Amino acid sequence: DIQVTQSPSSLAASVGDRLTITCRASQDIGTYLAWYQQKPGEVPRLLIYAATTLQWGVPSRFSGSGSGTDFTLTITRLEAEDVATYYCQKYDSVPRTFGQGTRVDLK
Amino acid sequence: QMHLEESGPGLVKSSGTLSLTCAVSGGSIDSASWWSWVRQPPGRGLEWIGEIYHVGATNYDPTLKSRVTISIDKSKSQFSLILTSVTAADTGVYFCARRRPPAYGTDVWGRGTNVFVSS
Repeated sequence: DIQVTQSPSSLAASVGDRLTITCRASQDIGTYLAWYQQKPGEVPRLLIYAATTLQWGVPSRFSGSGSGTDFTLTITRLEAEDVATYYCQKYDSVPRTFGQGTRVDLK
Repeated sequence: QMHLEESGPGLVKSSGTLSLTCAVSGGSIDSASWWSWVRQPPGRGLEWIGEIYHVGATNYDPTLKSRVTISIDKSKSQFSLILTSVTAADTGVYFCARRRPPAYGTDVWGRGTNVFVSS
């Protein structure tokens, strides 16, 4: 099975900061990668699909990049409402594995 | 707008069988979609369980494959999860969700249902 490694596992940042979260696949998955946001007690929300495409209604401060094995989720200017755990998921093949998650908190 | 809602027992005895149903409304279950189950153990990350295509093909996580069955009932606009021989490790929130192939992510999620496996 293709492994998915997400980093960091957690980070703390200030409002207005630029954040980068990385997801690495153990084999080439093309652009079959999605990013999700999950706030405490809430349902996961799709942010990015096909590695770079912003889901409808998601603020433009979120962006995704990468292909093959290395992918990045960037938040250009962190807002307080962005405090959440972020997950990547590969869906090129079975199993459709999620990354371990990155918890984002405010300093 | 499509809406998914999970239902089923919140308490299952160890070694027993977990059975959940996801009702689909606001759209057709017979559209080109993968209907998925994802779970989240307490305080932990998301785990993909498996999926069923609208025409009936299924995929399962290899670590659960021997215990999982996902089925679809188009007449009732619902799909279901059965997980046998449960243990405490199967405790968590179970989400049903929809992914449209080939390139879209999982864009519609149910609110999730808590399942506790008791000894």
